[in-house]
Amino acid sequence: AQSVSQHNHHVILSEAASLELGCNYSYGGTVNLFWYVQYPGQHLQLLLKYFSGDPLVKGIKGFEAEFIKSKFSFNLRKPSVQWSDTAEYFCAVSPSGGYQKVTFGTGTKLQVIP
Amino acid sequence: EAQVTQNPRYLITVTGKKLTVTCSQNMNHEYMSWYRQDPGLGLRQIYYSMNVEVTDKGDVPEGYKVSRKEKRNFPLILESPSPNQTSLYFCASSLGSAGGYTFGSGTRLTVV
Repeated sequence: AQSVSQHNHHVILSEAASLELGCNYSYGGTVNLFWYVQYPGQHLQLLLKYFSGDPLVKGIKGFEAEFIKSKFSFNLRKPSVQWSDTAEYFCAVSPSGGYQKVTFGTGTKLQVIP
Repeated sequence: EAQVTQNPRYLITVTGKKLTVTCSQNMNHEYMSWYRQDPGLGLRQIYYSMNVEVTDKGDVPEGYKVSRKEKRNFPLILESPSPNQTSLYFCASSLGSAGGYTFGSGTRLTVV
């Protein structure tokens, strides 16, 4: 079975700072990878996804993530954060092929200070 | 508008009183899933369904039931709720695991 680790539980940044949130997964085969965002009091929304091809994936709201297979990592980045990026971010993984169980990490809370 | 609709949004109930949380999607998605979200634990899968009449257990299925009689609906049933089922519940649907989930707005359940 797969697993996901998000080591940063709470990150505080000032506006305009650069962001990188870590995500590592454990699984022996090929995977699909996702980042979701949950704004306060709201449901999760898909930010970006990787399932094949270019390991650098661009998503909505200026976010991107890079899949590094050798490191089993899928870190989320944004060059310059805004106060409106304050939210909780979840990494998720599922084995490739057909329907496979999606496993979520425990989330990283990002607080952006104006 | 493409969406997953859950009802109710908020529910307070007493221990042992059967309840159903409804979930409906209008995107013709085959795959649907229920998650519970608890502080510090992230999202944990309760049950999922790959198609009509095809369901399977997730990580934390104890105390829950589901059914998938129609493609669009995937209700979550708590036959005898207990306080440890107090949580925030999300229904989600997708075309497949590579597509990513569309989530409902959530149901905050409190069992007293």
